[in-house]
Amino acid sequence: DSGVTQTPKHLITATGQRVTLRCSPRSGDLSVYWYQQSLDQGLQFLIQYYNGEERAKGNILERFSAQQFPDLHSELNLSSLELGDSALYFCASSVLDRVSYGYTFGSGTRLTVV
Amino acid sequence: AQTVTQSQPEMSVQEAETVTLSCTYDTSENNYYLFWYKQPPSRQMILVIRQEAYKQQNATENRFSVNFQKAAKSFSLKISDSQLGDTAMYFCAFMKPQTTSGTYKYIFGTGTRLKVLA
Repeated sequence: DSGVTQTPKHLITATGQRVTLRCSPRSGDLSVYWYQQSLDQGLQFLIQYYNGEERAKGNILERFSAQQFPDLHSELNLSSLELGDSALYFCASSVLDRVSYGYTFGSGTRLTVV
Repeated sequence: AQTVTQSQPEMSVQEAETVTLSCTYDTSENNYYLFWYKQPPSRQMILVIRQEAYKQQNATENRFSVNFQKAAKSFSLKISDSQLGDTAMYFCAFMKPQTTSGTYKYIFGTGTRLKVLA
């Protein structure tokens, strides 16, 4: 157990629907990062939050949004889902000033859009 | 823009043998960090090893070591005495601090799928 908790582990939904993925960072970590891993592709950075505030944005679609709550857990909202959104979504956390030591990843949420 | 290239989509190695996974990157920065992450079938991304660009000494973690060639922008991972549990996808990653925004830029390669054969 890495200490980063992601729920649910698996999610199957239909096109056009909206889902929410949840992440609880490792205790003491203030930064949360969301990544998308599509089939046979590397990790694409979506968005980063630090202590409740958005810090950096990557290739995140307008249909996607995220937030980090006062208890530091984060949610990634995916709406108007398309087949191409099927992917593994990872959350990672770090203590911002120690990010050079690498991330701690959760075990991911496998999203399947049918 | 920074890029990370892993030119070997798949590799295999016999148990107990040594294998080297290649990674090249492109950057004009001088201060950055490099990482290798492992993703076994369980999907969990696990940090294997890290290297600070300003350190000339190659990082080593037990059976894992890197060959960091800064001038050539190369960062290969050597796995010695390969074990069945090393079967995984391996990602090379580049990270640099972005001083203007106080954030960090992380770029991952597309991965190398390593299979250790019994």
